[in-house]
Amino acid sequence: GQNIDQPTEMTATEGAIVQINCTYQTSGFNGLFWYQQHAGEAPTFLSYNVLDGLEEKGRFSSFLSRSKGYSYLLLKELQMKDSASYLCAVRDGDYKLSFGAGTTVTVRA
Amino acid sequence: TAGITQAPTSQILAAGRSMTLRCTQDMRHNAMYWYRQDLGLGLRLIHYSNTAGTTGKGEVPDGYSVSRANTDDFPLTLASAVPSQTSVYFCASSAGGPTDTQYFGPGTRLTVL
Repeated sequence: GQNIDQPTEMTATEGAIVQINCTYQTSGFNGLFWYQQHAGEAPTFLSYNVLDGLEEKGRFSSFLSRSKGYSYLLLKELQMKDSASYLCAVRDGDYKLSFGAGTTVTVRA
Repeated sequence: TAGITQAPTSQILAAGRSMTLRCTQDMRHNAMYWYRQDLGLGLRLIHYSNTAGTTGKGEVPDGYSVSRANTDDFPLTLASAVPSQTSVYFCASSAGGPTDTQYFGPGTRLTVL
């Protein structure tokens, strides 16, 4: 099976920066996704990386290193509305998505 | 546009009963998926359909069946529910197929007693 690891919880202060790491071991690789999920809601797409490097999208950036099986999601200028779970998902060689258990980020005033 | 809709929003079901969870999308997406989400385990793929008329098994297909008679609808059926099927079920779709980004419906919370 697939193995995707990310921290369970992180806490940060409003206005600060938080980095959520994700390591993976999968059968083949066809891209890595980050989703945001507020409590009781559906996951919503944040970012996609298929090549090594950094993808920046406003306050959110995502980094990928395929050789290390590693990605991170960087959340800058944290706002209270960023309190949510962040899901790392890897698309394997069969184009199936495997998800990590998610990282719950709590933003404190 | 509505995107992806799921029904019901929540349901309590007696063990041994059957149940069909409905999923409809109005985006003309080719591929559709069913996931379950359990605390501490993340989303797990139950069944998928890359295009109308075809279906495939995911990571946890036992106890579930699907059909894809047309592009828009992808119902998930539990023939005889068991308490371990208590979960939140999400339907998702992607435009061109498995190579595209998946977008999720609002979910169905199912409790089997």
